[in-house]
Amino acid sequence: AQRVTQPEKLLSVFKGAPVELKCNYSYSGSPELFWYVQYSRQRLQLLLRHISRESIKGFTADLNKGETSFHLKKPFAQEEDSAMYYCALSGSNYQLIWGAGTKLIIKP
Amino acid sequence: EADIYQTPRYLVIGTGKKITLECSQTMGHDKMYWYQQDPGMELHLIHYSYGVNSTEKGDLSSESTVSRIRTEHFPLTLESARPSHTSQYLCASSESGTYGYTFGSGTRLTVV
Repeated sequence: AQRVTQPEKLLSVFKGAPVELKCNYSYSGSPELFWYVQYSRQRLQLLLRHISRESIKGFTADLNKGETSFHLKKPFAQEEDSAMYYCALSGSNYQLIWGAGTKLIIKP
Repeated sequence: EADIYQTPRYLVIGTGKKITLECSQTMGHDKMYWYQQDPGMELHLIHYSYGVNSTEKGDLSSESTVSRIRTEHFPLTLESARPSHTSQYLCASSESGTYGYTFGSGTRLTVV
């Protein structure tokens, strides 16, 4: 079965501390994975794709096929990183399979 | 500017009314989607379309219907609104699975 699991509904860290938002997936083929972010009162937007191997706003995510994970990391959290983060997997038939989301709160 | 637009942003309507939520995109994407999302919660797929005259129901049972007569336009209609329909409705489009989705700003619907 195709599934995305984000085990933490809420993650709270202090400004300047490292952040890691966890994402695990279940997929039989070659996965294409994404992180989306939704800031307060803004639209859901793509943060990064594993295929592009880029760093956006200081965030990186590495696909680990052995552990079937795609965790999102940032070495030093900033207050403006507070948002909802969703991990998604591109499954068969062009649909994204979504995790339940993690609310990240950065404390000053 | 190439984007995806949803109107209205906010809608408060009485029970039993018929409503249509508009979604248009100017990116030429074939694939379009409607999601229902309560704030800070999971996204639930309610309808999708892979092109003109193609529409399918998603995972979440919904009393709404959609149409896709033009590539750029994917409206969602509720024939008789009920308080249980109160939620946020997000429209998205995509070129292919590799590029992910582009989302609209959403319509926040309240049925009283």
